[in-house]
Amino acid sequence: QSVLTQPPSASGTPGQRVTISCSGSSSNIGSNTVNWYQQLPGTAPKLLIYSNNQRPSGVPDRFSGSKSGTSASLAISGLQSDDEADYYCAAWDDSLNGWVFGGGTKLTVL
Amino acid sequence: QLQLQESGPGLVKPSETLSLTCTVSGGSISSSIYYWGWIRQPPGKGLEWIGSIYYSGSTYYNPSLKSRVTISVDTSKNQLSLKLSSVTAADTAVYYCARRDIVMETFDYWGQGTLVTVSS
Repeated sequence: QSVLTQPPSASGTPGQRVTISCSGSSSNIGSNTVNWYQQLPGTAPKLLIYSNNQRPSGVPDRFSGSKSGTSASLAISGLQSDDEADYYCAAWDDSLNGWVFGGGTKLTVL
Repeated sequence: QLQLQESGPGLVKPSETLSLTCTVSGGSISSSIYYWGWIRQPPGKGLEWIGSIYYSGSTYYNPSLKSRVTISVDTSKNQLSLKLSSVTAADTAVYYCARRDIVMETFDYWGQGTLVTVSS
């Protein structure tokens, strides 16, 4: 069981906006920044969002992140078929003294 | 362009020690603003952080694996290594090495990963 909680699945149609939630606690999301990773089938995770809402160079602005209290969200607008992937949130946990991940959300583009 | 490449045996017997190496190219492992880490992913499951190391050799490990894990760095070869002892089938996973940017507080570059199967 993962320390950070994500819905196992999400879906949307092309062009739609979808959001993926990530719930934690005061020792992780509540006191540290959140990162999001995209994992396309058969590939390594790729950094999508860091420091709650920052996009690395090359990541389209269709992807955005936010954080409030002990929860965070990833939003994807203008959904494309290429966005079909697993998405993971991650944060440092002060109690565990380590990095913790969410269980991942499988996004399906219908 | 930074590249990380994991290497090592793809099959390890139960109770033995899993050993992997990550070779960093296109950048120095001795940079002061990066840590280097290992993360694994069992087949069909999520990501689990194993541990991280600084170029000076300072390490920190996942408490659930700490008793079995050793991570080391060889700055002369621009490599980091992972040893996981007393493995069981539960340690079967794709093992990734990754760079952690201290400023961005994130794992920003990942290797392609290597599958290690624990089986007799």
